[in-house]
Amino acid sequence: NAGVMQNPRHLVRRRGQEARLRCSPMKGHSHVYWYRQLPEEGLKFMVYLQKENIIDESGMPKERFSAEFPKEGPSILRIQQVVRGDSAAYFCASSPPLAGVREQYFGPGTRLTVT
Amino acid sequence: AQSVTQPDIHITVSEGASLELRCNYSYGATPYLFWYVQSPGQGLQLLLKYFSGDTLVQGIKGFEAEFKRSQSSFNLRKPSVHWSDAAEYFCAVGIYGNKLVFGAGTILRVKS
Repeated sequence: NAGVMQNPRHLVRRRGQEARLRCSPMKGHSHVYWYRQLPEEGLKFMVYLQKENIIDESGMPKERFSAEFPKEGPSILRIQQVVRGDSAAYFCASSPPLAGVREQYFGPGTRLTVT
Repeated sequence: AQSVTQPDIHITVSEGASLELRCNYSYGATPYLFWYVQSPGQGLQLLLKYFSGDTLVQGIKGFEAEFKRSQSSFNLRKPSVHWSDAAEYFCAVGIYGNKLVFGAGTILRVKS
């Protein structure tokens, strides 16, 4: 059973461009969580999604950031018009139904660098 | 607001020495508690977790942690550190069933 997959692993964008980060959950997992790790900080919760639904986006910046988890395909975290402060590692986690935090498995992360 | 404090940003221990990493949390009830390890450029690996029951929890790689309700602490320990344990360690609290709140991390250096 493959783990949580994230791609790309590294992404470089110029200021003003768009960044798209993908997360494929573990097989059988229908819940996805996105976390951001700024340099020298711990991970911060961004958003929690189930298939076709955003359940909790309390950690998402109000502008430029969006997330989706379509019925088919991976979850996407989209950052429009990136700025230098968006440079960070973005981690996705997945869990099976009803498990919540008790069983979150993390992917390897996408390291975004904005130049 | 719920918070997790890891008071030590860096810790250096000699190989073979014992290790204790501190973690304190602020939360009204007993939350779910976790320790994760992150090697440079890698994702997070779960070391151990506590939900309820026995307050001493055994994890992978020889790690253990003890939950102390009176101190709101969940310290990570290992009796004998190996050079391969050098990494960053994160304590996390699970609240409201869905989100994890992480501490800022402790970087462990192991000297030979």
